[in-house]
Amino acid sequence: GAVVSQHPSRVICKSGTSVKIECRSLDFQATTMFWYRQFPKKSLMLMATSNEGSKATYEQGVEKDKFLINHASLTLSTLTVTSAHPEDSSFYICSAMDRDQPQHFGDGTRLSIL
Amino acid sequence: GQQLNQSPQSMFIQEGEDVSMNCTSSSIFNTWLWYKQDPGEGPVLLIALYKAGELTSNGRLTAQFGITRKDSFLNISASIPSDVGIYFCAGSTQGGSEKLVFGKGTKLTVNP
Repeated sequence: GAVVSQHPSRVICKSGTSVKIECRSLDFQATTMFWYRQFPKKSLMLMATSNEGSKATYEQGVEKDKFLINHASLTLSTLTVTSAHPEDSSFYICSAMDRDQPQHFGDGTRLSIL
Repeated sequence: GQQLNQSPQSMFIQEGEDVSMNCTSSSIFNTWLWYKQDPGEGPVLLIALYKAGELTSNGRLTAQFGITRKDSFLNISASIPSDVGIYFCAGSTQGGSEKLVFGKGTKLTVNP
């Protein structure tokens, strides 16, 4: 149980493109989803927390207009990196949880902006 | 802000050896979680701890929630090559229902 699917697993695109990443909880309802960014050989850095049907809460220093998060249902959240530039290249990971349960992570999306 | 000090940063061991890693904090946590991350993948939950003093096993893995609620350790017994990866501890001040604070990870290498 507690499977989180993240898609796509890898994206390579040109600078200026907007990229959408999906995160789905497959066998449970996710009251809360989280989006992380991970730099090489580093720990996970929380970007934002989203609850179904409400606006995401962004961590300090994360541009909400740059990283658009939508959590329209209890099983789906999306992260859109708008007008992506090379400095946005990174490994993005989502996690999902049901009330008072541990976070379960997706397999991540490797984003490369040329 | 809250921080978790995870040690060691890396370990190089021989197959069959036991491994121990730990996390400490100056703050109290109500939940401790241990995850393993393989290269290019997301972290996978290994063990969740919810009560001070709790000792929980998952196969060859054993983790404990420290009595002071400021630390936790993870032991791996009789290591095998597939134990290779990065192990992260994470803590929450609520029942896991809010954002986690992560340690910096312990990179484990197992030599066959």
